[in-house]
Amino acid sequence: KNEVEQSPQNLTAQEGEFITINCSYSVGISALHWLQQHPGGGIVSLFMLSSGKKKHGRLIATINIQEKHSSLHITASHPRDSAVYICAGYEGTSGSRLTFGEGTQLTVNP
Amino acid sequence: DTGVSQDPRHKITKRGQNVTFRCDPISEHNRLYWYRQTLGQGPEFLTYFQNEAQLEKSRLLSDRFSAERPKGSFSTLEIQRTEQGDSAMYLCASSYRDRNQPQHFGDGTRLSIL
Repeated sequence: KNEVEQSPQNLTAQEGEFITINCSYSVGISALHWLQQHPGGGIVSLFMLSSGKKKHGRLIATINIQEKHSSLHITASHPRDSAVYICAGYEGTSGSRLTFGEGTQLTVNP
Repeated sequence: DTGVSQDPRHKITKRGQNVTFRCDPISEHNRLYWYRQTLGQGPEFLTYFQNEAQLEKSRLLSDRFSAERPKGSFSTLEIQRTEQGDSAMYLCASSYRDRNQPQHFGDGTRLSIL
């Protein structure tokens, strides 16, 4: 069982829709990283969070430490948001290695 | 551009050959990480360095794999006697030393074994 699990695996939306991607993680994960990966491989860091909520433009990330759950929301989605979104957790007290979820493939249609 | 850079972007080689990849991290970052990603999967941790010291290695890193960061700046990842199963995207990332810092990723090196 992976220590970081994402849902859904695939998500198709119409332009303008509100999108939510979920991430559940196990004991031992001290902080979460939300990442965006475009075709061709490049990965961009979106958020790092260990508590509360962060917002950047149309992206919002929340984390509930008690429930070991995080969500990434995209408001007013746009076709350029189409990418793979990956949740990754920092393990343990060293805060070094990342354990990745399998990613959510998001497609936003015009 | 002061981001993480990786070279080459693509490598095609025959099974049994040795390959070496290079990663240049963001200059002020102490930590450097290597990950491997196969198609349709999330990346998997291979190893990481703090300055020139290799602090952790995954069990995925068989004895055919070796990574170095000799002067605490760029790093190399070498795979000896490549196998079909080594075909993957090899990603490098760097971060500051402090706990739970955001990691900045390169564009990766895609390895294809014929």
